[in-house]
Amino acid sequence: SQQGEEDPQALSIQEGENATMNCSYKTSINNLQWYRQNSGRGLVHLILIRSNEREKHSGRLRVTLDTSKKSSSLLITASRAADTASYFCATYRDDKIIFGKGTRLHILP
Amino acid sequence: ETGVTQTPRHLVMGMTNKKSLKCEQHLGHNAMYWYKQSAKKPLELMFVYNFKEQTENNSVPSRFSPECPNSSHLFLHLHTLQPEDSALYLCASSQFLGGDTGELFFGEGSRLTVL
Repeated sequence: SQQGEEDPQALSIQEGENATMNCSYKTSINNLQWYRQNSGRGLVHLILIRSNEREKHSGRLRVTLDTSKKSSSLLITASRAADTASYFCATYRDDKIIFGKGTRLHILP
Repeated sequence: ETGVTQTPRHLVMGMTNKKSLKCEQHLGHNAMYWYKQSAKKPLELMFVYNFKEQTENNSVPSRFSPECPNSSHLFLHLHTLQPEDSALYLCASSQFLGGDTGELFFGEGSRLTVL
């Protein structure tokens, strides 16, 4: 069954702007991970946030986690054309990792 | 060279053909996975292998037959497929099954088209 669900399904922004994607999930988790997928390619792990963490940074990425609301957000600051991709949240619990449908991000020049 | 290599990258086959997808990981990981990615659907976990032993089969039709001869190699044998089986098939590995983080390392995928 689907655990994570991203919002919005698609997002188009101008280069240089910030992009925010949200993920909601249904059950308790050990951690939540964000992956990126360029068109027709494999997924690449971006960042992981544990259930006892509230915020994490990695370069231009900022992830927050609110376990009381069962939600997470991924912020990409100062977006670039190369950030155009699909972004997936994945929840990890009981040795299982479950992916959402993803958000398609398009950076406009 | 990526840590997880999949071949072929593209495959077109008829419904009566038999073909195989291959995955090789160079990361020293012990767990390997097959995922199916269809348009507008979440990634579907198909099979999980841990130390060469299958630990999960997510109700996958028998026309898909996995094989894991060792911890570095994973195959997906295909026979009498249906057009709805056309999808991107992704192989992934992780250091251990479960473990501390469950982080997955993916290959580039094999794009399968069934005519």
